[in-house]
Amino acid sequence: SQKIEQNSEALNIQEGKTATLTCNYTNYSPAYLQWYRQDPGRGPVFLLLIRENEKEKRKERLKVTFDTTLKQSLFHITASQPADSATYLCALERYGGATNKLIFGTGTLLAVQP
Amino acid sequence: DADVTQTPRNRITKTGKRIMLECSQTKGHDRMYWYRQDPGLGLRLIYYSFDVKDINKGEISDGYSVSRQAQAKFSLSLESAIPNQTALYFCATSDSQGMSNQPQHFGDGTRLSIL
Repeated sequence: SQKIEQNSEALNIQEGKTATLTCNYTNYSPAYLQWYRQDPGRGPVFLLLIRENEKEKRKERLKVTFDTTLKQSLFHITASQPADSATYLCALERYGGATNKLIFGTGTLLAVQP
Repeated sequence: DADVTQTPRNRITKTGKRIMLECSQTKGHDRMYWYRQDPGLGLRLIYYSFDVKDINKGEISDGYSVSRQAQAKFSLSLESAIPNQTALYFCATSDSQGMSNQPQHFGDGTRLSIL
């Protein structure tokens, strides 16, 4: 079955450092991958989308990579700030495409210490 | 004002009761989705609708039903609530332009507890 794995353990880093979160998938050949941020008591908020033919995508302090050989995406936050503390979710389009039906990972909690 | 609004935000009810969760959106999107989120399981798709006349089951539709009353409104019903339906429920929308690759826009959820 199609499966997405994110590190279930919280990631704790110091302010100013780069945070790197991992998303691995199996039994998939997704056309694209999305990253979302979720704060406590709130719905997920879309951050970035990367397509299978893109190796890297950037938006301000955020960078996403997509390695279809390793079946892995890495999400980086540079110069991290306490306000970046949240749960980050990756999502892939469900097999069959063109439907915008997403499968979500369970998310990784990031805590940035001042 | 929120683009995707869910009501109620919190609900506590008893086993066997019928519950309706409502979602309305001002984004003008055709596509709407209902998810539930449980600790350790992530977001799972219950139902989705690509337009007013289209309703599709997701991966965990048993025990749930939906109604798409208008482009902007999509409601989720639990016909006879049971305790394992206790969860955080999210409604989301997406644009149909370009078919895929569209981000989804979420409401802030309904926390449902079934005793």
